[in-house]
Amino acid sequence: GEDVEQSLFLSVREGDSSVINCTYTDSSSTYLYWYKQEPGAGLQLLTYIFSNMDMKQDQRLTVLLNKKDKHLSLRIADTQTGDSAIYFCAEIETKAAGNKLTFGGGTRVLVKP
Amino acid sequence: DAMVIQNPRYQVTQFGKPVTLSCSQTLNHNVMYWYQQKSSQAPKLLFHYYDKDFNNEADTPDNFQSRRPNTSFCFLDIRSPGLGDTAMYLCATSRGQGQQYFGPGTRLTVL
Repeated sequence: GEDVEQSLFLSVREGDSSVINCTYTDSSSTYLYWYKQEPGAGLQLLTYIFSNMDMKQDQRLTVLLNKKDKHLSLRIADTQTGDSAIYFCAEIETKAAGNKLTFGGGTRVLVKP
Repeated sequence: DAMVIQNPRYQVTQFGKPVTLSCSQTLNHNVMYWYQQKSSQAPKLLFHYYDKDFNNEADTPDNFQSRRPNTSFCFLDIRSPGLGDTAMYLCATSRGQGQQYFGPGTRLTVL
């Protein structure tokens, strides 16, 4: 079965880099996703990486994918107070009808001024 | 702006009193999903509609039902809410097997 795991909490000083780690189990996932959730809000897609890529950079965000170890990470450069939120990684199971996202438990990121 | 809209944003209901949550979309996506997210947990897929075809997850309780009267709207019905159904309910849409777009969620409290 699918199981996606993340560390629970990360505290970082404003201006430093944040690195959030994730491990997944479904090697057939074609894409892996990072979502951001602010308090009381829905899920905002931050970025995603195709499974045949090792790295993707998108402004302050860098995603690294190690398929051999089934390890995904998200690096946020120059972390700002507005980056304080819960970050979820997700793997995708493609079905004949739609697809299914399986989320990790979320990493709460606290940015200190 | 094209988007996924959920109403109401907050809903309080009594134990056992049926409740309906609404989701609408202007993206013209053919797939609509409902997720349940309990406090401090990951969102969990309840079911989804692919066009008019309903696809239930194996572990979704019978208490949860869904209706999709047209492409734009999808409803989540909880027939007899229990205290354990207190959660955020997230609607999402996609075009086929593409990226899912989420609404802001409805926070449901069962008293």
